[in-house]
Amino acid sequence: DVKVTQSSRYLVKRTGEKVFLECVQDMDHENMFWYRQDPGLGLRLIYFSYDVKMKEKGDIPEGYSVSREKKERFSLILESASTNQTSMYLCASSSGYNEQFFGPGTRLTVL
Amino acid sequence: QKEVEQNSGPLSVPEGAIASLNCTYSDRGSQSFFWYRQYSGKSPELIMSIYSNGDKEDGRFTAQLNKASQYVSLLIRDSQPSDSATYLCAVIGWMDSSYKLIFGSGTRLLVRP
Repeated sequence: DVKVTQSSRYLVKRTGEKVFLECVQDMDHENMFWYRQDPGLGLRLIYFSYDVKMKEKGDIPEGYSVSREKKERFSLILESASTNQTSMYLCASSSGYNEQFFGPGTRLTVL
Repeated sequence: QKEVEQNSGPLSVPEGAIASLNCTYSDRGSQSFFWYRQYSGKSPELIMSIYSNGDKEDGRFTAQLNKASQYVSLLIRDSQPSDSATYLCAVIGWMDSSYKLIFGSGTRLLVRP
């Protein structure tokens, strides 16, 4: 079974803090994705990566950056957290143009 | 026009009934279609994939694909209260100069005991 893990299930941070969300997958997938999900807005793609050290902007990259130094790990960084970044963050991975497998999610609250 | 459209619901059905969830998509060249189930507060879980026209059955779930009509559906037979969740349709489609997995906004299903 594909396993995607995320570093925290719940996280509370203060405005202005730098926040790191980590995602690790164990299926040697080349593609990894970060989404946020808010009530009524569905899944929105923040960033994705098709290979190590590669990154592509998704639909809402502003205020975020990513890092992919190893194939299995994809990190999402909030450079200076703001209250409007309070959300559920979901990491996913896939192989080729195929279905994505999701991690359990991190519910981030920015105070 | 949204690339993948779903009725947001809620779709309410009694326990034991057939729940029918529908999805339309805009990219006529799409070849791969998926259904995810998402319980409240949890992450999406893949439950069905379909690639060819027709029906694909897996237990109580049947996915139906009609590429000519650009329509994919999910039937849940003998619905149970534990099926109450949001169901996301996802399609591999061409967007922004590359193939991407495009999600609908989901249909919320409520199964009444």
